[in-house]
Amino acid sequence: GESVGLHLPTLSVQEGDNSIINCAYSNSASDYFIWYKQESGKGPQFIIDIRSNMDKRQGQRVTVLLNKTVKHLSLQIAATQPGDSAVYFCAENAGYSTLTFGKGTMLLVSP
Amino acid sequence: GAGVSQTPSNKVTEKGKYVELRCDPISGHTALYWYRQSLGQGPEFLIYFQGTGAADDSGLPNDRFFAVRPEGSVSTLKIQRTERGDSAVYLCASSSTGGGYNEQFFGPGTRLTVL
Repeated sequence: GESVGLHLPTLSVQEGDNSIINCAYSNSASDYFIWYKQESGKGPQFIIDIRSNMDKRQGQRVTVLLNKTVKHLSLQIAATQPGDSAVYFCAENAGYSTLTFGKGTMLLVSP
Repeated sequence: GAGVSQTPSNKVTEKGKYVELRCDPISGHTALYWYRQSLGQGPEFLIYFQGTGAADDSGLPNDRFFAVRPEGSVSTLKIQRTERGDSAVYLCASSSTGGGYNEQFFGPGTRLTVL
């Protein structure tokens, strides 16, 4: 995605809506992907992960979709709640221990 | 402890000073990572420890940055001759083992401000 400097891409939804957050990754060798949620003043919190041999994985209210052809990852949150408001990061791992994070998307949920 | 802890939570220093940031990983976790997060950005990798040794320090920006983990648990990130551009949140994470596919648990971070 585009560099937005200090201004994160923002997704605003109403409580109860489904949310979709997208991420483009850069390394075609990456084979493990993770979505993190980060609330203000806290460290990133693991949400869900997916390996490159899968194209979809579901958790509780969350689904991650992976499209390796176009190097795209998405996070779907069902029935979004105000407590879901945070910044969401995708991260990729090319088989080493270090993670490469994307720039993040801010999700704002209105009651 | 229940999670990764970092101290101090906030550190304000003057340009040119030396600072130390501490990370206490989850007990028993052999892998420990340091990341730096600038405002509006995702965390950027700095260094990864497997046990006591630095397995990958390719993310350290220059030789003013150094980290140790002498007993394979607590780690200290040291920054010499701080510069205003070092201002950021420094995050520590740990995982049960190193290598890919292992969930990294993050601490709350230390917010460093260099005046």
